[in-house]
Amino acid sequence: EDQVTQSPEALRLQEGESSSLNCSYTVSGLRGLFWYRQDPGKGPEFLFTLYSAGEEKEKERLKATLTKKESFLHITAPKPEDSATYLCAVLYDRGSTLGRLYFGRGTQLTVWP
Amino acid sequence: EAQVTQNPRYLITVTGKKLTVTCSQNMNHEYMSWYRQDPGLGLRQIYYSMNVEVTDKGDVPEGYKVSRKEKRNFPLILESPSPNQTSLYFCASSLIGGSNEQFFGPGTRLTVL
Repeated sequence: EDQVTQSPEALRLQEGESSSLNCSYTVSGLRGLFWYRQDPGKGPEFLFTLYSAGEEKEKERLKATLTKKESFLHITAPKPEDSATYLCAVLYDRGSTLGRLYFGRGTQLTVWP
Repeated sequence: EAQVTQNPRYLITVTGKKLTVTCSQNMNHEYMSWYRQDPGLGLRQIYYSMNVEVTDKGDVPEGYKVSRKEKRNFPLILESPSPNQTSLYFCASSLIGGSNEQFFGPGTRLTVL
């Protein structure tokens, strides 16, 4: 069973059409939730870290929010260059082991002009 | 320039022929990790290292070995590669633990025939 679920799997938006991506997680003891962007053939690139429910982070057209069981990545007035796969990852509190990171399968975003 | 480097970037090999994928970072990071990325499965953690001489298993460690003798290097060893290890591999590092943003390498595309 996946511990991190992202939806939708794929999203097509017209330029300027705002939307949200979802990341939900199933276990308690969250130590951090991360959003990454990945372009084809490249390594993921860090976007945000969220640590507690109610926290929000913004960067240009992107805004990430966190509740107790899910996170949203809001994309406002997207541009074609925002097209990429967006990955969510979570770090759980499991005693001394703070190194295991669980990634979702990603949302492939396409923004067309 | 701060970066994570991986070598080789592309590798085609045959079943059973031992290989090593190197990973090096120049940011003095304590934490390093290896992931594999497969279509439909997303990023899965293979091994991680919290510091020199400290390594631990991730989600899919079978068939892989790692070592961390120096802070900057974290090689991934496949003692007897099999076709199911054909994948895209990423190395990543972060300042401490897994709770900081991770910097990813460019990836190594491995094909095992």
